Amino acid sequence: EDQVTQSPEALRLQEGESSSLNCSYTVSGLRGLFWYRQDPGKGPEFLFTLYSAGEEKEKERLKATLTKKESFLHITAPKPEDSATYLCAVINQAGTALIFGKGTTLSVSS
Amino acid sequence: NAGVTQTPKFQVLKTGQSMTLQCAQDMNHNSMYWYRQDPGMGLRLIYYSASEGTTDKGEVPNGYNVSRLNKREFSLRLESAAPSQTSVYFCASSARQKLNTEAFFGQGTRLTVV
Repeated sequence: EDQVTQSPEALRLQEGESSSLNCSYTVSGLRGLFWYRQDPGKGPEFLFTLYSAGEEKEKERLKATLTKKESFLHITAPKPEDSATYLCAVINQAGTALIFGKGTTLSVSS
Repeated sequence: NAGVTQTPKFQVLKTGQSMTLQCAQDMNHNSMYWYRQDPGMGLRLIYYSASEGTTDKGEVPNGYNVSRLNKREFSLRLESAAPSQTSVYFCASSARQKLNTEAFFGQGTRLTVV
């Protein structure tokens, strides 16, 4: 069964305190892994796509990495505006839809 | 460029009432999706349409029907609403039939069934 598990469920950081979010997945033949950001009351906003183990993508203070079993979203020197829920998703085995994890809610205080 | 537009944004229904959630995209995407998001459950796929003229069930299709009206529009219908259908509903679209590019989401419809 295709499955995505994210940890931790919630993470509180001080401004400037770097950390990582984890996304572990089980899917036969990974076709793609996606990271989204979701602000309260809004729809998910696309951040990154990773396709193969060893791949890395960066955007401002965020860096996503991928292994054969998990992905990490590294947040370097976060700011309060980075506070959001971060969602991880993989393409299902049929290649027809995204399977989402439950998300990690990040709170960054100044 | 509006992207994915959902209407209405908020709705309150009584048990047994029916309604249709509307979704339209202006990115010329082939595939469209309906998800529901519940606390502690994450986003779950209700139905999807890989291309105009086709629809398929997702993880939680019971109690819902869909129509892919044309390439731009994909609607979700609740024939007889139940309190268990209280949720936030998101429509999404992606460029390709076989999903390997990112999906773009609408802003959501917040539905309460009393």
